[in-house]
Amino acid sequence: RKEVEQDPGPFNVPEGATVAFNCTYSNSASQSFFWYRQDCRKEPKLLMSVYSSGNEDGRFTAQLNRASQYISLLIRDSKLSDSATYLCVVNHSGAGSYQLTFGKGTKLSVIP
Amino acid sequence: GAVVSQHPSRVICKSGTSVKIECRSLDFQATTMFWYRQFPKQSLMLMATSNEGSKATYEQGVEKDKFLINHASLTLSTLTVTSAHPEDSSFYICSATPHSGQPQHFGDGTRLSIL
Repeated sequence: RKEVEQDPGPFNVPEGATVAFNCTYSNSASQSFFWYRQDCRKEPKLLMSVYSSGNEDGRFTAQLNRASQYISLLIRDSKLSDSATYLCVVNHSGAGSYQLTFGKGTKLSVIP
Repeated sequence: GAVVSQHPSRVICKSGTSVKIECRSLDFQATTMFWYRQFPKQSLMLMATSNEGSKATYEQGVEKDKFLINHASLTLSTLTVTSAHPEDSSFYICSATPHSGQPQHFGDGTRLSIL
């Protein structure tokens, strides 16, 4: 089983749509979770951290379900500029470790 | 916020050349930095963990003699691709964080093309 799994997509959605991505992780001892976005031929940029209680940042909502070991990202009112690959990232070795494990990413295309 | 600088951003060189890539943490100290590689349409793959003052830790399948890592100070790690060949052409990215468990900050990446 892969450590961090995501649906690769692509998700093609019209502007204004709501879209959700899920991600599962295999290590139950994982402590920190993040969503990054990566534009084509660019470095990943942090979108948001994911907290146990769930958190929201504008049009973006992240949820964590430790029991089921999955993380979700919801994007409301999609914009053309949201088109990118969204990476689910897990700190796999616990709070004392810096190392991250990346999912392969989910590609989103927002269509006019 | 935490900033990581990577240089150069683009390298094109002949086969057999050695290429050095620098990764600097500009406003924080990083005892650990990470080097990744990303081939087209593939995910980021961790190559090695760079440890200040000690040897780097390489992931399985990554040749330590091919990819030399030096982390001589708390703000600088270098990756040298020795005797590069066309199959080494890729996007190389470094990352660092000021605190364990917090988000990694990435350099801008280096696009390496070996002719």
